[in-house]
Amino acid sequence: EDQVTQSPEALRLQEGESSSLNCSYTVSGLRGLFWYRQDPGKGPEFLFTLYSAGEEKEKERLKATLTKKESFLHITAPKPEDSATYLCAVRSMIYNQGGKLIFGQGTELSVKP
Amino acid sequence: NAGVTQTPKFQVLKTGQSMTLQCAQDMNHNSMYWYRQDPGMGLRLIYYSASEGTTDKGEVPNGYNVSRLNKREFSLRLESAAPSQTSVYFCASSEGDRGPSYSNQPQHFGDGTRLSIL
Repeated sequence: EDQVTQSPEALRLQEGESSSLNCSYTVSGLRGLFWYRQDPGKGPEFLFTLYSAGEEKEKERLKATLTKKESFLHITAPKPEDSATYLCAVRSMIYNQGGKLIFGQGTELSVKP
Repeated sequence: NAGVTQTPKFQVLKTGQSMTLQCAQDMNHNSMYWYRQDPGMGLRLIYYSASEGTTDKGEVPNGYNVSRLNKREFSLRLESAAPSQTSVYFCASSEGDRGPSYSNQPQHFGDGTRLSIL
């Protein structure tokens, strides 16, 4: 069964304190791994897609990496505006999945000034 | 720059009442999805429509029905609301999945409908 587990559930950082969020996955052939950011009262906002082990993507202070079993979202020198819940999701190679995503439960990041 | 629009944003129902949640996208996407988000459960797929004219069950379809009205609109109906359906409902859309070689586009989400059932 396809499954996504994110850790930690919550992370509190001081401004400028770099850290990483983890997304472990089990899927029947990975077609893509997606990272989203969700602010309170809003829908998830797309950040990155990763397709194969070894791939990396960057956007401002965020860098996402992928291995065969997990993905990391590295946050370098975070600012208070990076506070949000970060969601990880995977898509299977099985065609009749209709492009469905399996989501993890998210990591709630709080960055204090 | 609307993207995915959901209405209403908030709703309170009594047990047994019915209602329809509306979703429209202006990105000419083929596929549309309905999720619910509950504390500690993450986003769970209720129903999806891979393309206009088709709908399929997701992970938690019981108690819901959907209609893909046209390429832009995908509605979710609660026929007889229950307290267990209290949740935040999100609609999403994507280019779609036309086969293993088709481009792997992300889903884009609306801002949700917060539904309370008393």
